[in-house]
Amino acid sequence: DAGVTQSPTHLIKTRGQQVTLRCSPKSGHDTVSWYQQALGQGPQFIFQYYEEEERQRGNFPDRFSGHQFPNYSSELNVNALLLGDSALYLCASSLKLGLAKNIQYFGAGTRLSVL
Amino acid sequence: GEDVEQSLFLSVREGDSSVINCTYTDSSSTYLYWYKQEPGAGLQLLTYIFSNMDMKQDQRLTVLLNKKDKHLSLRIADTQTGDSAIYFCAESMFSGGYNKLIFGAGTRLAVHP
Repeated sequence: DAGVTQSPTHLIKTRGQQVTLRCSPKSGHDTVSWYQQALGQGPQFIFQYYEEEERQRGNFPDRFSGHQFPNYSSELNVNALLLGDSALYLCASSLKLGLAKNIQYFGAGTRLSVL
Repeated sequence: GEDVEQSLFLSVREGDSSVINCTYTDSSSTYLYWYKQEPGAGLQLLTYIFSNMDMKQDQRLTVLLNKKDKHLSLRIADTQTGDSAIYFCAESMFSGGYNKLIFGAGTRLAVHP
């Protein structure tokens, strides 16, 4: 049973460019969440997708957008990259049961470096 | 507000017990999680506890919850060098049928011989 997979593993971009990160959820999961982890910090919630719609959003600017596909996979897009966007981007998948205990399982992350 | 706080560093001798502490802020019923992150890796779920429980044990791991003080701890018995990692406490914030995780800054555990 494949867990959460993310691609690419590493990415280097320059300021002002755009980037797309990809995530395939754990088999059987229908909800995908994205987190940003800056160096030396804990992950910060970006947004969450269920049934191809954004359901919750953290305190991130509109430069951060996403998409969920019918097969539950997801993309995170970041436009007009800033140096401060350099971080590890983590994808988590879960099963929406309408309960608080929908445990989130994380992928290995994509490390984005903005130069 | 949303805030989870952890001590940043812990050093223990191999074979001793490790205790990692965390405080959270949400007063409503919630789930609390412990995740482990090894260098260059994602987050591995270790264990979780519901806020109406006092304790949960899973092999070498014991989670203690003090609801009054909103204090959570993770005890690792017989700590091994392979336990060296960053440990994150996370609180589940549940709203409108969806939940998000609020993480602390992480506790770096160093295990020495």
